[in-house]
Amino acid sequence: DIQMTQSPSSLSASVGDRVTITCRASQSISTYLHWYQQKPGKAPKLLIYAASSLQSGVPSRFSGSGSGTDFTLTISSLQPEDFATYYCQQGYSTPGFGGGTKVEIK
Amino acid sequence: QVQLQESGPGLVKPSGTLSLTCAVSGGSISSNNWWSWVRQPPGTGLEWIGEIHHSGSTNYNPSLKSRVTMSVDKSKNQFSLKVSSVTAADTAVYYCARKMATTPYYFDYWGQGTLVTVSS
Repeated sequence: DIQMTQSPSSLSASVGDRVTITCRASQSISTYLHWYQQKPGKAPKLLIYAASSLQSGVPSRFSGSGSGTDFTLTISSLQPEDFATYYCQQGYSTPGFGGGTKVEIK
Repeated sequence: QVQLQESGPGLVKPSGTLSLTCAVSGGSISSNNWWSWVRQPPGTGLEWIGEIHHSGSTNYNPSLKSRVTMSVDKSKNQFSLKVSSVTAADTAVYYCARKMATTPYYFDYWGQGTLVTVSS
């Protein structure tokens, strides 16, 4: 099984901050890495697929990068609606998710 | 716009069988996609349970494989999940989701989720 490790598990930030979340795979997954946003009581929402492609309708302040084993999700200027939990998911083998990163208001 | 809607009992007794159905609208279940189940225990992360193709092919999480069965009903445009011998550890919000059948295999549509509690 491919293990996905996200860091940090939580962070506090202010509106307007630049936020970076990291996801590391236990083996190379090429660019088969996707990012989701989940708000309390809601289903996950696809933000970024294939490491760096922005899903339709997702604001351009979200971006992704990386390949192989190391990936990042960046929010260039945090907005009030961005406070949520973010998950990475590998699509290289049987699907697996990272443990999540909760972005809280500072 | 594809929409998915989970339905089923919200309470299951220990050692019983959890049964859920996901109705697909706005698209055909016979399209080239994998129809998946993902669960989320309270306050924790996401766990992939398994997936089914309209052809009947299935893939299951090895940790749950012995207790999971999935099926598809093309006439009703829906698919189903059964988990047998449930315990309190199976208490979770259960989501159905669509996964692309071509690379890079992401989940693009999700149901709203349904909470299933295992308790006597």
